[in-house]
Amino acid sequence: GIQVEQSPPDLILQEGANSTLRCNFSDSVNNLQWFHQNPWGQLINLFYIPSGTKQNGRLSATTVATERYSLLYISSSQTTDSGVYFCAVVRGGGADGLTFGKGTHLIIQP
Amino acid sequence: EPEVTQTPSHQVTQMGQEVILRCVPISNHLYFYWYRQILGQKVEFLVSFYNNEISEKSEIFDDQFSVERPDGSNFTLKIRSTKLEDSAMYFCASSGSIFNYGYTFGSGTRLTVV
Repeated sequence: GIQVEQSPPDLILQEGANSTLRCNFSDSVNNLQWFHQNPWGQLINLFYIPSGTKQNGRLSATTVATERYSLLYISSSQTTDSGVYFCAVVRGGGADGLTFGKGTHLIIQP
Repeated sequence: EPEVTQTPSHQVTQMGQEVILRCVPISNHLYFYWYRQILGQKVEFLVSFYNNEISEKSEIFDDQFSVERPDGSNFTLKIRSTKLEDSAMYFCASSGSIFNYGYTFGSGTRLTVV
């Protein structure tokens, strides 16, 4: 099956810093999503981004489908940004489930 | 914004018991899914459901598991004869299109088997 690798696995930053999280995938995909898992375990959908660039406030994401990677940018980090960020992809149609990476555990210190 | 609703948020059960996890997907969505996340690990796909039948399932989804859409709104995951290693967060998700225009996840049910 498709492989999803995320880096770095852990990241500790001071409040106000910027960060870039990376997701590499091993095959072409129809869907790529970024999720934030908060301390209560909820998966919050950040972006649906199989290709191109999107921005939402302090967060933005870029997927270069031809080179099989995606980047999530977080600017001016806040303590509430802490948690685990997952990249997930799917190759096929609606019946196929998402394949998740292992995530990047982000800690923002005040 | 439409939501996927899961109940209960937390369930504790004795080893060997059966549990039913419940989900209400987004009403006009076509595909429904269950995922599992063991504590500290990544989220894993269990099963997808379309047109009242299973579409795809992973190797995790063995005979211990079953899914059902008993009415027009609910989608359930049944786990028979629970084991300690079934302790995990279970997420329900739904998708509105065969072209995968994004998945919406519920808040999860944390299952603890004791």
